[in-house]
Amino acid sequence: DTEVTQTPKHLVMGMTNKKSLKCEQHMGHRAMYWYKQKAKKPPELMFVYSYEKLSINESVPSRFSPECPNSSLLNLHLHALQPEDSALYLCASSPTPGTPSTDTQYFGPGTRLTVL
Amino acid sequence: QKEVEQDPGPLSVPEGAIVSLNCTYSNSAFQYFMWYRQYSRKGPELLMYTYSSGNKEDGRFTAQVDKSSKYISLFIRDSQPSDSATYLCAIDSYKAAGNKLTFGGGTRVLVKP
Repeated sequence: DTEVTQTPKHLVMGMTNKKSLKCEQHMGHRAMYWYKQKAKKPPELMFVYSYEKLSINESVPSRFSPECPNSSLLNLHLHALQPEDSALYLCASSPTPGTPSTDTQYFGPGTRLTVL
Repeated sequence: QKEVEQDPGPLSVPEGAIVSLNCTYSNSAFQYFMWYRQYSRKGPELLMYTYSSGNKEDGRFTAQVDKSSKYISLFIRDSQPSDSATYLCAIDSYKAAGNKLTFGGGTRVLVKP
């Protein structure tokens, strides 16, 4: 099983709403990632969790709050978002943090977020 | 200067042609290079992973790395309409904190039947 799953597939929210994105993998990977991708642009790294601890935060606004409840799950909590936060949010995982690996990063299908 | 540069295309080829994609990068310390394929409204899918200079072949795909020129390439032989997608090169600058991928801007490829 080399699958990373993400729910929901689509999400529409108002600027005052609170919502969460969920990511799950069962490959035993110990690093998990959140990326943001705008239309016709490459993915941009937001957060990295290494062994369930936040290890990289790419200066992301506090209205995005990541959480890693266990080694298989990764959440992204959203609050007071702006319309410009509308994008495809991608989750990824990789086997062993901090080592090069031929498996590198597997991506999920993404959650398409629209902020009204 | 961006760390990884990639021609945005679009690149349109007839079915059966060879597709040639390339990226340049600025940091000579980079060692691990990847190519991802992304279909519209889907997540990126890893195609090829290479380390150091030279060629790597997998089916119809060949990845090349020229570290002296800081240039990486992907060739797709016998292209099919199903190869129509955006192709992203990426550099893996791994650290103890995790593997940080830096992507090129992506090249949109259209293979016409």
